[in-house]
Amino acid sequence: KQEVTQIPAALSVPEGENLVLNCSFTDSAIYNLQWFRQDPGKGLTSLLLIQSSQREQTSGRLNASLDKSSGRSTLYIAASQPGDSATYLCAVPVTSSGGGADGLTFGKGTHLIIQP
Amino acid sequence: NAGVMQNPRHLVRRRGQEARLRCSPMKGHSHVYWYRQLPEEGLKFMVYLQKENIIDESGMPKERFSAEFPKEGPSILRIQQVVRGDSAAYFCASSRQGYSTDTQYFGPGTRLTVL
Repeated sequence: KQEVTQIPAALSVPEGENLVLNCSFTDSAIYNLQWFRQDPGKGLTSLLLIQSSQREQTSGRLNASLDKSSGRSTLYIAASQPGDSATYLCAVPVTSSGGGADGLTFGKGTHLIIQP
Repeated sequence: NAGVMQNPRHLVRRRGQEARLRCSPMKGHSHVYWYRQLPEEGLKFMVYLQKENIIDESGMPKERFSAEFPKEGPSILRIQQVVRGDSAAYFCASSRQGYSTDTQYFGPGTRLTVL
């Protein structure tokens, strides 16, 4: 059974700092890994999707890396801003047989606060 | 192109009543997923459907919960005889074709409160 762990559970940093969020998963036979953000009382917004064959993906100030063999992914946020404050979730497919079309197993998230 | 739509956004039910949650996927998407987020817990996968078919319901409670995605109309998550422990946010997501390249897009959720 796939399990996803995110560290740290909460993080508070001053505006402008670069930061790294960590995600680990127990079953390395994944098709992809996704990072989402969730704002309080809202749904999830997809940030990045990394295919199992890729090592990283970038979108603006966000960079996500994937090391499948060690079961780890990181989300790097450059030059953080107060608007980045949210809960960040990583997710991998529930099973390794879905071909990518699968429910997702989520970590519990990192609650990020960027201090102005 | 509208995003994933869920209604109602908030639903209040008394114990023993039925709750029906609706999800309209993004245009062109034929894969729907339902998740539940209990207070202070992470998101948990419940069920994965394609048009008229349940593909994976391994996360659904064995009793009182059912889901459908008919040929026409939205996907429905139905909870019969609700109990207080069913109070949670229920999220629906959709994807286009179900390939590993496909992102799941989430709706805003339905927040169910059972009195």
